[in-house]
Amino acid sequence: DTEVTQTPKHLVMGMTNKKSLKCEQHMGHRAMYWYKQKAKKPPELMFVYSYEKLSINESVPSRFSPECPNSSLLNLHLHALQPEDSALYLCASSQERGLAGGYSTDTQYFGPGTRLTVL
Amino acid sequence: DQQVKQNSPSLSVQEGRISILNCDYTNSMFDYFLWYKKYPAEGPTFLISISSIKDKNEDGRFTVFLNKSAKHLSLHIVPSQPGDSAVYFCAASGNSGGSNYKLTFGKGTLLTVNP
Repeated sequence: DTEVTQTPKHLVMGMTNKKSLKCEQHMGHRAMYWYKQKAKKPPELMFVYSYEKLSINESVPSRFSPECPNSSLLNLHLHALQPEDSALYLCASSQERGLAGGYSTDTQYFGPGTRLTVL
Repeated sequence: DQQVKQNSPSLSVQEGRISILNCDYTNSMFDYFLWYKKYPAEGPTFLISISSIKDKNEDGRFTVFLNKSAKHLSLHIVPSQPGDSAVYFCAASGNSGGSNYKLTFGKGTLLTVNP
């Protein structure tokens, strides 16, 4: 089973709203990711959690706030977004590959995404 | 600086023929390469991967070839089917010092398989 689930599938929010995106995986992966994807562009990494600790924050604005409550769940809290934040938000998970001096990602499995529209 | 390049934005092939999608990379620290397929408004679907210790990996209709000296990989789909029509992303990962969970993606190639 290589399934990553995301809810909701679609979300429309105003610039003053607070909402959350949810992601779940039951593959025992210890690395989880949030990506943002605009049309006709590759996915753009936002955050990486490794063993439930934030490992990478790609200089994402503070209006996006990630949370990893446990090893299977990943949330992305949204507040005071801008219309330009409208995009497909993707969650992914992976195992780790041990390398000399550190770790790297193994195959990342993506969820179906949440289509976010900010009005 | 684009470390993973897919120089063909689109490719059109006839059903039943071979599709060849190409990818070049510049970072010699990359040691694991993946291909993803993506339909509009959906998440990328993992297709096939290859480690730098191999030069070929095959899974059904999909074969990935890696030429490390040329820093080039390709995805062959044979026979191509109309359902293969999608955007294909090449991605790479590796240890560039410390822990690195990043996948570096190419810009994608839109494959259209005509019936």
